[in-house]
Amino acid sequence: AQKVTQAQTEISVVEKEDVTLDCVYETRDTTYYLFWYKQPPSGELVFLIRRNSFDEQNEISGRYSWNFQKSTSSFNFTITASQVVDSAVYFCALSGGTGRRALTFGSGTRLQVQP
Amino acid sequence: ETGVTQTPRHLVMGMTNKKSLKCEQHLGHNAMYWYKQSAKKPLELMFVYNFKEQTENNSVPSRFSPECPNSSHLFLHLHTLQPEDSALYLCASSPESGIGSYNEQFFGPGTRLTVL
Repeated sequence: AQKVTQAQTEISVVEKEDVTLDCVYETRDTTYYLFWYKQPPSGELVFLIRRNSFDEQNEISGRYSWNFQKSTSSFNFTITASQVVDSAVYFCALSGGTGRRALTFGSGTRLQVQP
Repeated sequence: ETGVTQTPRHLVMGMTNKKSLKCEQHLGHNAMYWYKQSAKKPLELMFVYNFKEQTENNSVPSRFSPECPNSSHLFLHLHTLQPEDSALYLCASSPESGIGSYNEQFFGPGTRLTVL
């Protein structure tokens, strides 16, 4: 069975602070994909990144960066110099295994960035 | 229209009503999904369609009935729902090209359903 754990239910920071959202996953598959999605108050899930299990290189995209560590089954997400517009619920998700394409989501982390 | 659209955006229905949710994707994708997002639970997969064929039913009660007439449209027919079915129902699509492809899913804005 697959499982994604986001232990942080809610995080509150002040604008310009850096913040890291944790994601720990469980899977028996050797090939799998990890994702991060952002859900702003409007409700629509916005895709942020996909990472496959064979690529452990960290990735940076503007103020966003992701740290994939297979040894600890973690795929953490850092926002540098946070902004009020970053306020949203962030979901980590996992897919993979015997052709199953559907995503297994974590419970989400609500990020509040105060001005 | 671009991306994934869902109608209606909000729906209030009684337990004896019959209604349908509609999802349409304009991305040329081959797989479509229904997810349920409740206030106190993680996003839950309900159904998966691949090339119009249902490939997953995540033990969803029969009062939810999906329909996929073509790769661009997905419906969720609702009847005799319960108040605990109140949730945000999200549709997604992805460009599946065969077994072993795990592409990102693109989501619609969701339908906020309230069952009285």
